[in-house]
Amino acid sequence: SAVISQKPSRDICQRGTSLTIQCQVDSQVTMMFWYRQQPGQSLTLIATANQGSEATYESGFVIDKFPISRPNLTFSTLTVSNMSPEDSSIYLCSPIFVARGSDTQYFGPGTRLTVL
Amino acid sequence: TQLLEQSPQFLSIQEGENLTVYCNSSSVFSSLQWYRQEPGEGPVLLVTVVTGGEVKKLKRLTFQFGDARKDSSLHITAAQTGDTGLYLCAGTGGYNKLIFGAGTRLAVHP
Repeated sequence: SAVISQKPSRDICQRGTSLTIQCQVDSQVTMMFWYRQQPGQSLTLIATANQGSEATYESGFVIDKFPISRPNLTFSTLTVSNMSPEDSSIYLCSPIFVARGSDTQYFGPGTRLTVL
Repeated sequence: TQLLEQSPQFLSIQEGENLTVYCNSSSVFSSLQWYRQEPGEGPVLLVTVVTGGEVKKLKRLTFQFGDARKDSSLHITAAQTGDTGLYLCAGTGGYNKLIFGAGTRLAVHP
């Protein structure tokens, strides 16, 4: 099965600061998705990141707030900028792997963010 | 906009009982996935169904994809306390984006 790791696993941050979440996978991916899961809720897609192009953001999410980088086929970062308590959520990366040849998505363990 | 309605939202049952979770949509999905999530962890893939009418079994779990690929169900036979968790269905829409249902929080009591 896929190995997907995220750092940090959890963090407590002050309002107005920024946090960068890293997602590392063990094999090449075609697409990387970033999701948010607010307390007690289901998952909401933030953006889709393809290597070599700018990320595509879903309605309600903007690049200034959630900049994404994808420098190579196995690594991506999501930054939560100028945080407020409303950003307290679990953030999850989800890759589609080149080798698997399907659209099945797997998920990282998540980063639990609390903003005070 | 593609939506997936998942029900029930909460389910509290005794060990040994059977249960069914439903996901319904007015949209067609190329595939549908079921995940289980435990507190503090990311969703873990249980199954992917691709073909209309497909039935897949995973031990005590039976997954069905509707003929029209608009709905799916998860049936658990003889639930165990270890089945407790959040069950999520997700349909694959355009550009491989997953559309998630609201989730079913299952509690199985001894």
